[in-house]
Amino acid sequence: EAAVTQSPRSKVAVTGGKVTLSCHQTNNHDYMYWYRQDTGHGLRLIHYSYVADSTEKGDIPDGYKASRPSQENFSLILELASLSQTAVYFCASSENWGAYEQYFGPGTRLTVL
Amino acid sequence: GDSVTQTEGLVTLTEGLPVMLNCTYQSTYSPFLFWYVQHLNEAPKLLLKSFTDNKRPEHQGFHATLHKSSSSFHLQKSSAQLSDSALYYCALTVMSNYNVLYFGSGTKLTVEP
Repeated sequence: EAAVTQSPRSKVAVTGGKVTLSCHQTNNHDYMYWYRQDTGHGLRLIHYSYVADSTEKGDIPDGYKASRPSQENFSLILELASLSQTAVYFCASSENWGAYEQYFGPGTRLTVL
Repeated sequence: GDSVTQTEGLVTLTEGLPVMLNCTYQSTYSPFLFWYVQHLNEAPKLLLKSFTDNKRPEHQGFHATLHKSSSSFHLQKSSAQLSDSALYYCALTVMSNYNVLYFGSGTKLTVEP
């Protein structure tokens, strides 16, 4: 089964601080994604990447940066954390052909105070 | 653009009754449709997908039929179980778009004894 891990699993940050969420996959997948989950909004795409050293904006990229230094690793960076960025963040990966299924990590619960 | 609508935010059922969760979509191209399920404090995972060699997709007693005429992909099950209580997301993707998924807002299903 595909394996996607995230760290940390939970984090409390202060407003204006920098936060980095990390994602690691051992699936040898080319595509990776970052989502945030909020009650009533479902899963919304922040950034995605289809190859190492390249990232693309998703539907809600404002206030977030992404970094894909290798095929296995994909980070989400909040340079100046805000209260509105309190949410659960999920990373996912997918193969570049065929079934289109995305495999999700366990999520990171971020609370910005 | 591409979008998915799930009209029911909350559905509460008695065990043994049938389940039907609604999903409609808009897409410029011929999309692929999915149902993802997320149990409490877990990651979303794939339940069904619309393209299975023309066979109706089924999994764990759930099934869904893609109706292009009505742009719908409703999720059904003949008899609800307590373990079906979860958050259900309908999602779509189109070919050649890096498997980017567009999620609906989700339906929380609660099955009571």
